[in-house]
Amino acid sequence: DTTVKQNPRYKLARVGKPVNLICSQTMNHDTMYWYQKKPNQAPKLLLFYYDKILNREADTFEKFQSSRPNNSFCSLYIGSAGLEYSAMYLCASSSIGSAETLYFGSGTRLTVL
Amino acid sequence: GEQVEQLPSSLIVQEGASVLINCSYTDSASVYFPWYKQEPGKRLQFIIDIRSNMERKQTQRLTLLFDKKTKHLSLHITATQPGDSAIYFCSASPMDSNYQLIWGSGTKLIIKP
Repeated sequence: DTTVKQNPRYKLARVGKPVNLICSQTMNHDTMYWYQKKPNQAPKLLLFYYDKILNREADTFEKFQSSRPNNSFCSLYIGSAGLEYSAMYLCASSSIGSAETLYFGSGTRLTVL
Repeated sequence: GEQVEQLPSSLIVQEGASVLINCSYTDSASVYFPWYKQEPGKRLQFIIDIRSNMERKQTQRLTLLFDKKTKHLSLHITATQPGDSAIYFCSASPMDSNYQLIWGSGTKLIIKP
């Protein structure tokens, strides 16, 4: 099973409210990633977990939090959503090694009003 | 930092024709270049990759050419089919892994039956 699952598929949030997105994978991959994708733009890496070690990109360090309670699950947390957070959020997983393939979920479309 | 540019941004061709998608990058330290595609309504999926110690890689109807000197890649798709309609993404990493992948904005390919 090469499936990465994301919940929910669509999420509506109010400005200033928190948002929590969920991702799971059953492939026992050691690394899980969160990307932000806006229309006609390149996917932007927000952060990734290698095992239990969280790596956040410098320019999104304070905007996004994440947790990985076990190997299969990873969450993305926005403490206070702003209009600019409206985007597709993509979760992916892979195994360390010589550039193993990224497996993506279907994404969560977040709309902030 | 690394920047990845794809041209054209969109392309419409007749079924059976060949297409060429171009990708350029700026960081000479980049060594790993995976390509992904996203069909309408589906998740991103890996299609082909190449490393900087190679000049050419082929799989089925896909041929990926790499020119280290000009920092340029070309994805050639032959005998196109309606199922090839998708957005194609080029990416680059300075590590031989999916860490620190920088993505292009994508090339939207439409195959007319």
